[in-house]
Amino acid sequence: SQQGEEDPQALSIQEGENATMNCSYKTSINNLQWYRQNSGRGLVHLILIRSNEREKHSGRLRVTLDTSKKSSSLLITASRAADTASYFCASRGPGAGSYQLTFGKGTKLSVIP
Amino acid sequence: DAGITQSPRYKITETGRQVTLMCHQTWSHSYMFWYRQDLGHGLRLIYYSAAADITDKGEVPDGYVVSRSKTENFPLTLESATRSQTSVYFCASRDDRPTQYFGPGTRLTVL
Repeated sequence: SQQGEEDPQALSIQEGENATMNCSYKTSINNLQWYRQNSGRGLVHLILIRSNEREKHSGRLRVTLDTSKKSSSLLITASRAADTASYFCASRGPGAGSYQLTFGKGTKLSVIP
Repeated sequence: DAGITQSPRYKITETGRQVTLMCHQTWSHSYMFWYRQDLGHGLRLIYYSAAADITDKGEVPDGYVVSRSKTENFPLTLESATRSQTSVYFCASRDDRPTQYFGPGTRLTVL
């Protein structure tokens, strides 16, 4: 079963707008990661947030984590057409193998020029 | 810096045939993974490996076999391909840090 579930499944915005994607997970975690997948490509790591962190920034990316609600959000500010991709959250629970990740089904983001 | 590569990138085969998908990484990462990606299911873990000669089942291992005789290679074999194994397959690797590095994928069609 999927540990993470992204919301919405698809999102279409105009270039320059902000895009927010949400992820919910079921069990307690040590950290949560976000990955991007361009069409026809492999996944690329974007950012990791640890369970004792509430917010993290990387360039135009802002990730928040609320462990009480078992949820995370990824905000992309000032979106560009090149941000068009699918975005996945991934997490590893403390009970799982130390190197396994469980991925959500992803949010497909379309940025219209 | 080749990173992680997969071959072939595209493969068409017939039901019942054996198919081997190759994965090679140049970083000497200890951990390697095989996922399949299907519409509506996201990425699902098939098999993983913590080191050479150490492999274990993931979420959907049935119908697949793996081996890891060398750290850099992690082939995935479909012993008798079925139509339900039509999918995009991704190999990934990581070192002691949590980030996984993905290959470009193999698109497999089983007729």
